[in-house]
Amino acid sequence: NAGVTQTPKFRVLKTGQSMTLLCAQDMNHEYMYWYRQDPGMGLRLIHYSVGEGTTAKGEVPDGYNVSRLKKQNFLLGLESAAPSQTSVYFCASSKAGAADTQYFGPGTRLTVL
Amino acid sequence: AQSVTQLDSQVPVFEEAPVELRCNYSSSVSVYLFWYVQYPNQGLQLLLKYLSGSTLVESINGFEAEFNKSQTSFHLRKPSVHISDTAEYFCAVDGSGNTGKLIFGQGTTLQVKP
Repeated sequence: NAGVTQTPKFRVLKTGQSMTLLCAQDMNHEYMYWYRQDPGMGLRLIHYSVGEGTTAKGEVPDGYNVSRLKKQNFLLGLESAAPSQTSVYFCASSKAGAADTQYFGPGTRLTVL
Repeated sequence: AQSVTQLDSQVPVFEEAPVELRCNYSSSVSVYLFWYVQYPNQGLQLLLKYLSGSTLVESINGFEAEFNKSQTSFHLRKPSVHISDTAEYFCAVDGSGNTGKLIFGQGTTLQVKP
């Protein structure tokens, strides 16, 4: 039981390049989330999904897109990376929504030059 | 809009001393409150949470937090810390209905010194 895994662990991009971050969970959770973590700002929600085939915007969605084609996977895309997107990205999942524990992946450290 | 404020960015403390990490939130609706911990180079993991009922909640490793509705606070305490408690601690609130959208505080780094 791997829990929540994220691919890749590290990535360096040049401004304007695109990439996709993959999150996978093996706990059969309905809800999945993408956060970014920046120093002194805690974690901020980018997008989330309440079930397969659904996505919704979080607190800081601009510049990102997501897809949830399979229940176990939640993809985060950057179409044209900018230096302001340099951050550590965390994926999380939970069985239910409100009040439920979120399980986090190990994170992806992204640097945009 | 909901918000969470952690009043201290860093808290240095000696081993076996007590510690309190402060958290205040703003919300006009009923909330669920959480403390998550992040050890170096790892993801976050749940420490404890308040959903309803008793205002004092405890974790398995000796931390406790008290929900105070009148002061809109959810401070985290431990009577005697260990070196292994060195980590970053995040307070979070979920008042979004059924989506589980968390609003996190800025984080407090607990540095336990020998």
